[in-house]
Amino acid sequence: AQTVTQSQPEMSVQEAETVTLSCTYDTSENNYYLFWYKQPPSRQMILVIRQEAYKQQNATENRFSVNFQKAAKSFSLKISDSQLGDTAMYFCAFMKHGVTSGSRLTFGEGTQLTVNP
Amino acid sequence: DAGVIQSPRHEVTEMGQEVTLRCKPISGHNSLFWYRQTMMRGLELLIYFNNNVPIDDSGMPEDRFSAKMPNASFSTLKIQPSEPRDSAVYFCASSRGAYSSSYNEQFFGPGTRLTVL
Repeated sequence: AQTVTQSQPEMSVQEAETVTLSCTYDTSENNYYLFWYKQPPSRQMILVIRQEAYKQQNATENRFSVNFQKAAKSFSLKISDSQLGDTAMYFCAFMKHGVTSGSRLTFGEGTQLTVNP
Repeated sequence: DAGVIQSPRHEVTEMGQEVTLRCKPISGHNSLFWYRQTMMRGLELLIYFNNNVPIDDSGMPEDRFSAKMPNASFSTLKIQPSEPRDSAVYFCASSRGAYSSSYNEQFFGPGTRLTVL
């Protein structure tokens, strides 16, 4: 079974600054996907960024980037130029890859990020 | 394009009553997932369907919970009888396929907040 751990229940950052959210996971799989989801107060789950485990290059999406360390099973999210609208709960998630494994998501506990003006 | 539709958005009921949550996946998606979000357990998968067939229901907490997908455009999650510990937000998500060699993003509905008094 896979586990995902987010050790930072809460974080805060000043507007326009950079913040990094941490995530570690445990799996015996070699092929998988990792994700960061954002859940604002509206509680809608929004996909922020994804990383394929077979890709060495770290994924980036505008102000969001990841630091994927496969050997260390670490997957952190960096948010640059933080904006007030980034205030939300952020979930790290794992998905196995393959034709027989299905595509269920396993989530971490979440990190509540607050961006202060 | 309509996203995943869930109803009701909010449900308040009394212990012992039957509760039915409804989900309409995105048209063309053939995989559907039910997740539950609580403070204690975070986000966890309850059950998922592929082509209307339940694939993995190991996350269903007990016999009081049941899920059906009578056709490709509709699914229900039923709790009977409901208990206060069932209070949570229930999310439905859909994707193009659970079995694939490529990534299929899961799109989440807005969730149903259930309160059992």
